[in-house]
Amino acid sequence: GAVVSQHPSRVICKSGTSVKIECRSLDFQATTMFWYRQFPKQSLMLMATSNEGSKATYEQGVEKDKFLINHASLTLSTLTVTSAHPEDSSFYICSASVDRGLADTQYFGPGTRLTVL
Amino acid sequence: DAKTTQPPSMDCAEGRAANLPCNHSTISGNEYVYWYRQIHSQGPQYIIHGLKNNETNEMASLIITEDRKSSTLILPHATLRDTAVYYCIVRVAGRGGSNYKLTFGKGTLLTVNP
Repeated sequence: GAVVSQHPSRVICKSGTSVKIECRSLDFQATTMFWYRQFPKQSLMLMATSNEGSKATYEQGVEKDKFLINHASLTLSTLTVTSAHPEDSSFYICSASVDRGLADTQYFGPGTRLTVL
Repeated sequence: DAKTTQPPSMDCAEGRAANLPCNHSTISGNEYVYWYRQIHSQGPQYIIHGLKNNETNEMASLIITEDRKSSTLILPHATLRDTAVYYCIVRVAGRGGSNYKLTFGKGTLLTVNP
């Protein structure tokens, strides 16, 4: 159980276009989903926390108008990179939170590799 | 959340136990120890977590010292597919929300050799 999927797995786009990435929890309902970004040879950096039916909470330094997050249901969150530029090229990973007694556990998707030309 | 310290890299022979240490000397009473691993170009995989008792599941065992200032993740019979970066993360107990985010450090690159 606790499977998280992402679509697409890989996307190449032109500078200035927008890209949408979907994150789905396949076999559980997740009230909270998280979006991370990972640059080459670096660790994961949290971008934002998304709660179903409410506005996302963004980490310091992450532009909320550039990285639009929608969490419309308990199994789906989307990240839209608007007006993408080459510096947005990165590995984007989502996670979904499952209650485990007193402490929840986050399960991660396989990631989406974004390349902006 | 408390800071963790891990060795940058370790090697292990295939079939042997891999023991990955983590220091979290500033851990507080309501903070859990989580372990994740990331195989190259994939999303992190949850391994195990614990508060103060030792834990075991089908993937690994987690040994937490009595003072909770350090822990060891044990992969009992390492295989080549266990080669990955292993992250030890300390996080406050709770459910969901931005207060319960995971903060990833640099982790330990475990290389399992044939």
